[in-house]
Amino acid sequence: QQQVKQSPQSLIVQKGGISIINCAYENTAFDYFPWYQQFPGKGPALLIAIRPDVSEKKEGRFTISFNKSAKQFSLHIMDSQPGDSATYFCAASYSGSARQLTFGSGTQLTVLP
Amino acid sequence: DSGVTQTPKHLITATGQRVTLRCSPRSGDLSVYWYQQSLDQGLQFLIQYYNGEERAKGNILERFSAQQFPDLHSELNLSSLELGDSALYFCASSVYSGDYNEQFFGPGTRLTVL
Repeated sequence: QQQVKQSPQSLIVQKGGISIINCAYENTAFDYFPWYQQFPGKGPALLIAIRPDVSEKKEGRFTISFNKSAKQFSLHIMDSQPGDSATYFCAASYSGSARQLTFGSGTQLTVLP
Repeated sequence: DSGVTQTPKHLITATGQRVTLRCSPRSGDLSVYWYQQSLDQGLQFLIQYYNGEERAKGNILERFSAQQFPDLHSELNLSSLELGDSALYFCASSVYSGDYNEQFFGPGTRLTVL
């Protein structure tokens, strides 16, 4: 059962453009929603995370928008740079005793120079 | 550098064999998670340990087992290996207190089963 659905599978953006990646979840018990960035040959690195009590969180060029009623959240990368080219994963977890991450399928972002 | 270390970086073995993957969490982190990343299944949670005790199990095969030692390092044991077990195996660690659930991933072990 895929509990976190991510789209698009791949995304090509021009340098300076805005990259938008969307995720939808099913389990309303999820209460922690991180985004991870992964470069080839590396482990996923935490980029930014949000809890459902806020609708938006911004860190530098990265913003998470969260819509609790729609059970959707998205990552916006402003002023996208070639160095942002990587695979991005959304994820969700609970704050109870079992805190494993349930990941989306990933989005391969390519930022053209 | 996340502070999580994993060894070995690469592992090539044959079907039917047994391997052990090792993970050292960040200093101070009590919780260790193991994830498998494959092209067809994506990133999937396998198992979680907290301060030496198993806390949660995901899609982990019966041929796989793990443990966390008193010094908090963890090992993932994969036995009777099959071709389909070829994947990247990641370890992550977290503080695991209150609402804090930031998980930091190691560089992974790439397992190739021939």
